[in-house]
Amino acid sequence: DAGVTQSPTHLIKTRGQQVTLRCSPKSGHDTVSWYQQALGQGPQFIFQYYEEEERQRGNFPDRFSGHQFPNYSSELNVNALLLGDSALYLCASSPQGSYEQYFGPGTRLTVT
Amino acid sequence: GESVGLHLPTLSVQEGDNSIINCAYSNSASDYFIWYKQESGKGPQFIIDIRSNMDKRQGQRVTVLLNKTVKHLSLQIAATQPGDSAVYFCAETLHSNTGKLIFGQGTTLQVKP
Repeated sequence: DAGVTQSPTHLIKTRGQQVTLRCSPKSGHDTVSWYQQALGQGPQFIFQYYEEEERQRGNFPDRFSGHQFPNYSSELNVNALLLGDSALYLCASSPQGSYEQYFGPGTRLTVT
Repeated sequence: GESVGLHLPTLSVQEGDNSIINCAYSNSASDYFIWYKQESGKGPQFIIDIRSNMDKRQGQRVTVLLNKTVKHLSLQIAATQPGDSAVYFCAETLHSNTGKLIFGQGTTLQVKP
């Protein structure tokens, strides 16, 4: 049984560009949450998707958007990249209504 | 932001000793708490959780203690092993808000052989 998978593992982008990160949830999970983890800090909640809709959102600008597909996989899009967007982006999945979230290995984004 | 701090506190222990990692949480209305372990290059891994109607919960080699009066959480690791070396985060969430985990600062645990 595969856990949460994310792609790509690493990514380097230039300021102003756009990026798309991908996540496949753990089997049987229908809810996906995205977190941003800056170096030396704890993860910060970006948003959560359930039934292909954004259900909750953290304190992130509209440059951060997402999508969930019918197979429960999800994408995180970031437009107009800033240097400060450099971070590890984590995807976590859970069954709806469950507190327990399982994290993927993350995508390391570097903006130059 | 809700997770602050650029320099993680570090706890250094001898292999075989017990470790205690502390965390102060932010929201008195939070009613579910989780400890995560994060190894270098990996995502956070669930260790143990506790609901606010409990003050202690035990797992295999780990115990979580919750003191709601002072909004304090601790993780005790018995007989610490080199494989326990990692960054440990506490996280809180509200019953009515199961999606958003709020993570604490994190503590680096170093186990000396």
